[in-house]
Amino acid sequence: EAGVAQSPRYKIIEKRQSVAFWCNPISGHATLYWYQQILGQGPKLLIQFQNNGVVDDSQLPKDRFSAERLKGVDSTLKIQPAKLEDSAVYLCASAVDRGTGELFFGEGSRLTVL
Amino acid sequence: SQQGEEDPQALSIQEGENATMNCSYKTSINNLQWYRQNSGRGLVHLILIRSNEREKHSGRLRVTLDTSKKSSSLLITASRAADTASYFCATAKTDSWGKLQFGAGTQVVVTP
Repeated sequence: EAGVAQSPRYKIIEKRQSVAFWCNPISGHATLYWYQQILGQGPKLLIQFQNNGVVDDSQLPKDRFSAERLKGVDSTLKIQPAKLEDSAVYLCASAVDRGTGELFFGEGSRLTVL
Repeated sequence: SQQGEEDPQALSIQEGENATMNCSYKTSINNLQWYRQNSGRGLVHLILIRSNEREKHSGRLRVTLDTSKKSSSLLITASRAADTASYFCATAKTDSWGKLQFGAGTQVVVTP
């Protein structure tokens, strides 16, 4: 079974530029998460989708971050414009369904904002 | 804010020794999970313990949960160099619809 795929793995941009990350969850997984992990910290939930609907985006900085999950499968996370403090690893995870337990994580997309 | 907080922040042990780390949390939970993260990689699920369970084992891992104290511990027995990683606890609150919140992690280094 293929795991959670994320791209790009690494991205370096200047502040005020935009960037987009892509995630393809495990086939059949209804729930998809985006987490932000700053160096030395634990992952912080940005947004949770159930199929193609948003369940929780309370910690998403909506003035600059946006995310969508079209057709309830792939998802993109966009940052525009980027700030220095957005430098982090962006982790995508999926689960069979919300509340079922185990999350499966991708390898992450490491963003450096200069 | 993060729901779980791990203790210690860092742990250095020799191969063959046991490693114990603790997690405290603040609100009622459905379950508590432990994950491992190798440097530069994604997180890997280790074990899940439900709120009505007190202890669970998986291979060399032993997890306990004390809901009265809102705390959990993860014990890795007979550690190996390959156990070197960061370990995170994550909690699913009772009304969270699957929202999983992670602590800051314990960085474990196992030297041969």
